[in-house]
Amino acid sequence: EMQLLESGGGLVQPGGSLRLSCAASGFTFFSYGLSWVRQAPGKGLEWVSTISGGGRSPYYADSVQGRFTISRDNSKNTLYLQMNSLRAEDTAVYYCAKDAPGGGGVDSWGQGTQVTVSS
Amino acid sequence: QAVLTQPSSLSASPGASASLTCTLRSGINVGTYRIYWYQQKPGSPPQYLLRYKSDSDKQQGSGVPSRFSGSKDASANAGILLISGLQSEDEADYYCLIWHSGAYVFGTGTKVTVL
Repeated sequence: EMQLLESGGGLVQPGGSLRLSCAASGFTFFSYGLSWVRQAPGKGLEWVSTISGGGRSPYYADSVQGRFTISRDNSKNTLYLQMNSLRAEDTAVYYCAKDAPGGGGVDSWGQGTQVTVSS
Repeated sequence: QAVLTQPSSLSASPGASASLTCTLRSGINVGTYRIYWYQQKPGSPPQYLLRYKSDSDKQQGSGVPSRFSGSKDASANAGILLISGLQSEDEADYYCLIWHSGAYVFGTGTKVTVL
């Protein structure tokens, strides 16, 4: 059974850093692009970043470009999101999601991890 | 103007059909895209429902009932999620998604209420 399990969320002060992880199982990890998607309290879904199966092609939303870095370790079946210079508006549940075969969307989601940026 | 616009809410009675639209911004042709649809209930992650590009390029999510179906309205430049035989368990938020210009773009979301 396919599974995505996020970890690493928590409370951090503005300007601080946090590293999220997403452990994957049940599919051929290196064959699929992976993404981070977040959802602020009471708000809709917001795409954050995507990385290709080989890890060479990262994409970022304008709102996080230059502050967040996506990466993956295909030997550990794990996706990461390094978040620096955090702001209050980064407060959200962060989900990892797997690309659908053929691309153009995602077809599986993790349960999410809460990130709260507050002093 | 948002890239993908969805009505904020929709209400319908049990057993009725609900048509949810996802309208693409002017200049972005709906015919070019696979449109993905998700259902999200409070406190839970989104669940993949289906994708639709054309009748020859579509996919139903695993375990998703056939009463959920996708289509497009080219004249309105919109993707459509049709829920037939609405049930109380269908009460949720629904989002559309496309990959556009090197980014995923989500629709603004529609809250469906089953009266």
